[in-house]
Amino acid sequence: GEDVEQSLFLSVREGDSSVINCTYTDSSSTYLYWYKQEPGAGLQLLTYIFSNMDMKQDQRLTVLLNKKDKHLSLRIADTQTGDSAIYFCAETEYSTLTFGKGTMLLVSP
Amino acid sequence: DVKVTQSSRYLVKRTGEKVFLECVQDMDHENMFWYRQDPGLGLRLIYFSYDVKMKEKGDIPEGYSVSREKKERFSLILESASTNQTSMYLCASQSPTGNIQYFGAGTRLSVL
Repeated sequence: GEDVEQSLFLSVREGDSSVINCTYTDSSSTYLYWYKQEPGAGLQLLTYIFSNMDMKQDQRLTVLLNKKDKHLSLRIADTQTGDSAIYFCAETEYSTLTFGKGTMLLVSP
Repeated sequence: DVKVTQSSRYLVKRTGEKVFLECVQDMDHENMFWYRQDPGLGLRLIYFSYDVKMKEKGDIPEGYSVSREKKERFSLILESASTNQTSMYLCASQSPTGNIQYFGAGTRLSVL
């Protein structure tokens, strides 16, 4: 079955860039997503990319997709303490989404 | 904005009780989902529904059932709650545009 892998933890200093990486196995994925979860809350969609795109930029967020290597990354520029959260990568082929286990981003002042 | 509302943020129940978790969405979405989230295990799909009265098993349906009598409401039922069902439960409603799922705030269920 499909699998989505992420590193579990990333620690950065405020003002630095953060890069969260994700690999997936399903070559038929149509959309790939990044969600953010703050403590005690549900998941909030940050951004998503269609599989025929290589890059998408949205303010401080840059998503890069390498379809050949099945690698997705999320770059957060000028990381702030409010960016501390768990970030989930997800992919879909039909209707259901497959999520990674999440990367906890800790931003220190 | 899409609004997905879960009826309770926190719930404490006893072993053997029947538990209902309710989820309501306001965007007329056809697809709705129930997940549970546990530390180290990420999100696991319990059940989903493509339309009223339609349901499909996810990856971990054992011990759960669902009900979708109206399009906007998707209920998760624990017929006889057990301690291993202590978890965070997340409901999602899915837009047909990009298959984007919108999540509720979650229900943290403790079964004692």
